[in-house]
Amino acid sequence: GAVVSQHPSRVICKSGTSVKIECRSLDFQATTMFWYRQFPKKSLMLMATSNEGSKATYEQGVEKDKFLINHASLTLSTLTVTSAHPEDSSFYICSAGSAAEKLFFGSGTQLSVL
Amino acid sequence: AQSVTQLDSHVSVSEGTPVLLRCNYSSSYSPSLFWYVQHPNKGLQLLLKYTSAATLVKGINGFEAEFKKSETSFHLTKPSAHMSDAAEYFCSDYKLSFGAGTTVTVRA
Repeated sequence: GAVVSQHPSRVICKSGTSVKIECRSLDFQATTMFWYRQFPKKSLMLMATSNEGSKATYEQGVEKDKFLINHASLTLSTLTVTSAHPEDSSFYICSAGSAAEKLFFGSGTQLSVL
Repeated sequence: AQSVTQLDSHVSVSEGTPVLLRCNYSSSYSPSLFWYVQHPNKGLQLLLKYTSAATLVKGINGFEAEFKKSETSFHLTKPSAHMSDAAEYFCSDYKLSFGAGTTVTVRA
């Protein structure tokens, strides 16, 4: 079946540094990828919709300059958390697909900002 | 505003007994609805989906869900819980709006 690979699975960084998270569709082309944030024991919050070859669409309240999304190819989207701070610590998950009915999720990235 | 509401934050069952996870949706038309399972520090796995076809949907791992328009519900059930069913479960609609999640614990 289709697989979405997310890397890294865990990252620890110092406050003020930037962290890049990759989301790859391994055996299909993903015109759309989604990025979510999940707090401990909480639901997933959709952060943004990443569209190949165009700008990402951010949900209300999500800072686009803080969370940079690049979807340069049909198999790769990246989320860069810029100038990370401890409040950015969270579990980040991506999903890929062409419609809600065909979404596949990555295994998530646990970001810890010291 | 959230489009789906999970009514139980935590469900605890004994192994071998039925599991019921409740989800209500708010929509003026028939939505597409999904149930996902998430194990600790993992991504989400699709259990099943409703897309305006049969109202009783069968998914993986013995789960099924019934779409009831009159009740605006899409509850997830399994007749006999297994220890491996202990996880977090999310209901979602086509807008990628997720419910708050239901934690399932299974007692031996």
